[in-house]
Amino acid sequence: NAGVTQTPKFRVLKTGQSMTLLCAQDMNHEYMYWYRQDPGMGLRLIHYSVGEGTTAKGEVPDGYNVSRLKKQNFLLGLESAAPSQTSVYFCASRRTGGDYGYTFGSGTRLTVV
Amino acid sequence: AQSVAQPEDQVNVAEGNPLTVKCTYSVSGNPYLFWYVQYPNRGLQFLLKYITGDNLVKGSYGFEAEFNKSQTSFHLKKPSALVSDSALYFCAVRPSNTGKLIFGQGTTLQVKP
Repeated sequence: NAGVTQTPKFRVLKTGQSMTLLCAQDMNHEYMYWYRQDPGMGLRLIHYSVGEGTTAKGEVPDGYNVSRLKKQNFLLGLESAAPSQTSVYFCASRRTGGDYGYTFGSGTRLTVV
Repeated sequence: AQSVAQPEDQVNVAEGNPLTVKCTYSVSGNPYLFWYVQYPNRGLQFLLKYITGDNLVKGSYGFEAEFNKSQTSFHLKKPSALVSDSALYFCAVRPSNTGKLIFGQGTTLQVKP
């Protein structure tokens, strides 16, 4: 089924460890986004990309890096994980123009201990 | 600053009764407005959107929303709630000067038998 796939679904990290979250979409969407979801705070934009090879900072970019080497993939990296990065991470994508409807992945639940 | 507010953390209704989940926004221009639903351990699913035209928008699963420009509101409604409607609901707004969505903090809907 066409959509947005996130891997892994769950992960526990120790403080200071690094990891990469992968988002893959097969809808040929230009735009991709990484959000984090925390209780009572809704979804906050971390980084986004408007096309292959481009990335930009969102609302809460500190502590994260991203790369969009291929149009279908958007990677979110944590170089040195901190407990404050414990969250549920969602990737989303959308096509250029249109009604700006986003397609979301099912999320990655990350715990940093 | 542009923002979206969902004033109720939780809404409780009895099955068969009408439900309303409130959303107000503060953004410039003529925004696009969205409602998404999130079931436990799942990603966000699109419910409905307002782009232009009729202020009453109908969406998935019998939900509808009413756009009120003067009150800058976009409340989600359903005439008869089902237990299966219990979930977390997010209002989102795309301001006219950006392609990024701004999300509210979410409202948990609890429908009791």
